[in-house]
Amino acid sequence: AQSVSQHNHHVILSEAASLELGCNYSYGGTVNLFWYVQYPGQHLQLLLKYFSGDPLVKGIKGFEAEFIKSKFSFNLRKPSVQWSDTAEYFCAVNMIKAAGNKLTFGGGTRVLVKP
Amino acid sequence: EAQVTQNPRYLITVTGKKLTVTCSQNMNHEYMSWYRQDPGLGLRQIYYSMNVEVTDKGDVPEGYKVSRKEKRNFPLILESPSPNQTSLYFCASSLIQRGSPQFFGPGTRLTVL
Repeated sequence: AQSVSQHNHHVILSEAASLELGCNYSYGGTVNLFWYVQYPGQHLQLLLKYFSGDPLVKGIKGFEAEFIKSKFSFNLRKPSVQWSDTAEYFCAVNMIKAAGNKLTFGGGTRVLVKP
Repeated sequence: EAQVTQNPRYLITVTGKKLTVTCSQNMNHEYMSWYRQDPGLGLRQIYYSMNVEVTDKGDVPEGYKVSRKEKRNFPLILESPSPNQTSLYFCASSLIQRGSPQFFGPGTRLTVL
């Protein structure tokens, strides 16, 4: 079955450190890729998305992600994190064969930024 | 304001007592979906709907029902809740086009004793 994997379940880092969260999916067809963020006590919000074109996409709050088709990866990066980036981050994939607009989510990565 | 609303936000119930979690969106979206979120498992789709009166099972539909009588509403029904349905539930909506960003509700934390 198609799946989405996020490599780290928990990440702890200090303010100003760089962040990279891994995401891999197992599906050989066309995909649309997303990163969502869930701040403590809040609902999921879209950080960024990739449909086609430039594989390096920029999102809100200084986040960016790079799609590497040969590696089936869509890693999220931020050069310098802030305490307010403490949240859970979810990678999600919409696979071309999926019914409608179904998203398959990774297990999430909890990020704690220490002040 | 464009939004997805869910009610209730928190619910504690007992095994076997039927309950309904409501979901409503004001963006005229065709596609609506229910997910459950469990630690380490991310979000898993329960049911989805592509339009009024069109619903289908997601990845984890057992023990749940849905209906879509109106475009804006997509209630989730647990006919006989069990403790393994204790979870955080999210409703989401989007345009029908593949890849359209989904908008999520605030979540409903359900505990079944």
